[in-house]
Amino acid sequence: EVQLLESGGDLVQPGGSLRLSCAASGFTFSSYAMNWVRQAPGKGLEWVSSIPGSGGGAYFADSVKGRFTISRDNSKNTLYLQMNSLRAEDTAIYYCAKSGSQGYFDSWGQGTLVTVSS
Amino acid sequence: SYELTQPPSVSVSPGQTARITCSGDALPKQYAFWYQQKPGQAPVLVIYKDSERPSWIPERFSGSSSGTTVTLTISGVQAEDEADYYCQSADSSGARYVFGTGTKVTVL
Repeated sequence: EVQLLESGGDLVQPGGSLRLSCAASGFTFSSYAMNWVRQAPGKGLEWVSSIPGSGGGAYFADSVKGRFTISRDNSKNTLYLQMNSLRAEDTAIYYCAKSGSQGYFDSWGQGTLVTVSS
Repeated sequence: SYELTQPPSVSVSPGQTARITCSGDALPKQYAFWYQQKPGQAPVLVIYKDSERPSWIPERFSGSSSGTTVTLTISGVQAEDEADYYCQSADSSGARYVFGTGTKVTVL
């Protein structure tokens, strides 16, 4: 059974940094692209970033490009999201999601809450 | 930036059919996927590659595609189907993903 467990969400001040982690199990982690998707309170889903199984060639939404970095440690089956220069509008639940074979998200974690506020 | 447009809400009586549309310019070239999200829960994939249904999803869920519009159909709606539904696809490059604006399905 695929399991994805996010951690690292917290209350942070505007301009601050935070690193999220996603521990994966139940599948061959290095064989699948992984993603971060966020959802602001009461709002819809927003794709944030994706990284291939090999770890190279990541993609970002325009709203986070230049501020967020995605990475993975295939030896630890863990996905990361480094978030810098955080803004109030980055406040959201951040979900880790495993990619299917055709650009969809076939398994999701339960999410971790990031709140950016002074 | 690329957008996928959905109606904000759909209301349906139990046993009737709910149809949710999703429109986007790149949909003729990119597959669409659908997710169901209930309050306080993570999204769940209900349709992939326009019309394929995961084995764990009831047969009353189906998907179709025509030009720049894809449609999620729920036949014989049940109370448990009340949720938010999101379409998802990629931009024309295929490198960046996008979600639709979301549709709240209310079972009357």
